[in-house]
Amino acid sequence: NAGVMQNPRHLVRRRGQEARLRCSPMKGHSHVYWYRQLPEEGLKFMVYLQKENIIDESGMPKERFSAEFPKEGPSILRIQQVVRGDSAAYFCASSLMTGGGTDTQYFGPGTRLTVL
Amino acid sequence: AQRVTQPEKLLSVFKGAPVELKCNYSYSGSPELFWYVQYSRQRLQLLLRHISRESIKGFTADLNKGETSFHLKKPFAQEEDSAMYYCALRDYGQNFVFGPGTRLSVLP
Repeated sequence: NAGVMQNPRHLVRRRGQEARLRCSPMKGHSHVYWYRQLPEEGLKFMVYLQKENIIDESGMPKERFSAEFPKEGPSILRIQQVVRGDSAAYFCASSLMTGGGTDTQYFGPGTRLTVL
Repeated sequence: AQRVTQPEKLLSVFKGAPVELKCNYSYSGSPELFWYVQYSRQRLQLLLRHISRESIKGFTADLNKGETSFHLKKPFAQEEDSAMYYCALRDYGQNFVFGPGTRLSVLP
């Protein structure tokens, strides 16, 4: 099992461009979480998705940010019209979510976004 | 709102010395607490969770509801323990709240 995969590992965008970050969960996992880590800060929850459903997006900025987890393919975190403040490391995690509800999240290596 | 604090950004100890990484939380319900570790150039990984009551790599953590703390301890630090350590809380909505992290540096 390759674990959670994220690509690209590094992404450079100019202000106003779009950034697309991809996350492939571990095989068999149907729950995906996105986190953002700003410089010198801890991880902050952004959004929790199951296949084709957004379960909780309370940590997601209201504008310019969107996330999806289609039936087929990776989860995508999309940032439109990026600004310098979007520069951060974005981590994805996946879980199996057994019926018991307490489930380990496995993290990807992260995508480091730099906005010039 | 739930919150996790780790008061030390950096903690340096000598090899063989005891180490304690502090974590305090605020949450109105019964939280589930975790410690995650990120070694240099590696991904974030789960170290331990309070419901398991286990010892991983010599580390233990006890949930103290009275003090709302979940400090991570190890009696004898090793150089390979040097890493970033994150305390995290999971709420009923299955959302994680992470602390800012503590960088542990174990000196030879």
